Amino acid sequence: AQKITQTQPGMFVQEKEAVTLDCTYDTSDQSYGLFWYKQPSSGEMIFLIYQGSYDEQNATEGRYSLNFQKARKSANLVISASQLGDSAMYFCAMREGSGGSNYKLTFGKGTLLTVNP
Amino acid sequence: NAGVTQTPKFQVLKTGQSMTLQCAQDMNHEYMSWYRQDPGMGLRLIHYSVGAGITDQGEVPNGYNVSRSTTEDFPLRLLSAAPSQTSVYFCASSPTYNNEQYFGPGTRLTVT
Repeated sequence: AQKITQTQPGMFVQEKEAVTLDCTYDTSDQSYGLFWYKQPSSGEMIFLIYQGSYDEQNATEGRYSLNFQKARKSANLVISASQLGDSAMYFCAMREGSGGSNYKLTFGKGTLLTVNP
Repeated sequence: NAGVTQTPKFQVLKTGQSMTLQCAQDMNHEYMSWYRQDPGMGLRLIHYSVGAGITDQGEVPNGYNVSRSTTEDFPLRLLSAAPSQTSVYFCASSPTYNNEQYFGPGTRLTVT
């Protein structure tokens, strides 16, 4: 079974609208972390937001927020007020367990977001 | 700070050749890792290190070797290149196991 599932290969959104990118995960660990990265067409990987499994509040970073539903094992990324520069591939990733030996990220296959003017 | 640097940016190899992809970071991060990115597959972990002298295998380690003699450097060696190793390779580092990973710009490798 896939540990990280991103069911939307591609998404379109109008400029200035909000968009939600889906991510579900599979783990039996109680301690884990969830990350979202952005990869523009230039290829670099840009960290956006992090949510720890014990964090009680949803993470927010500027226009990015993470809709964390632990019981449903989902960690959706919400981008508010989309901009043309948000057009990129978005990856959800998970770190399972705690401690240095668990320094491993598992990535989903990504969602390609296109923002239309 | 230069952050995470990778050399070369592009490389073409013939089947059977060996080479080393270089990765260096100047942030004094203990944790480093190598990923490969293939179309439609996301990023997959090849090897990682939790400190100088300590390395371990990731999801797809076959055909690759690593070593970590210093905190700064984490080279990835392809022992005998195969067309299946055509990919984009990313190196990343982080200060702790739980922090976000800082990625290098990537190396695009083609094996013919």
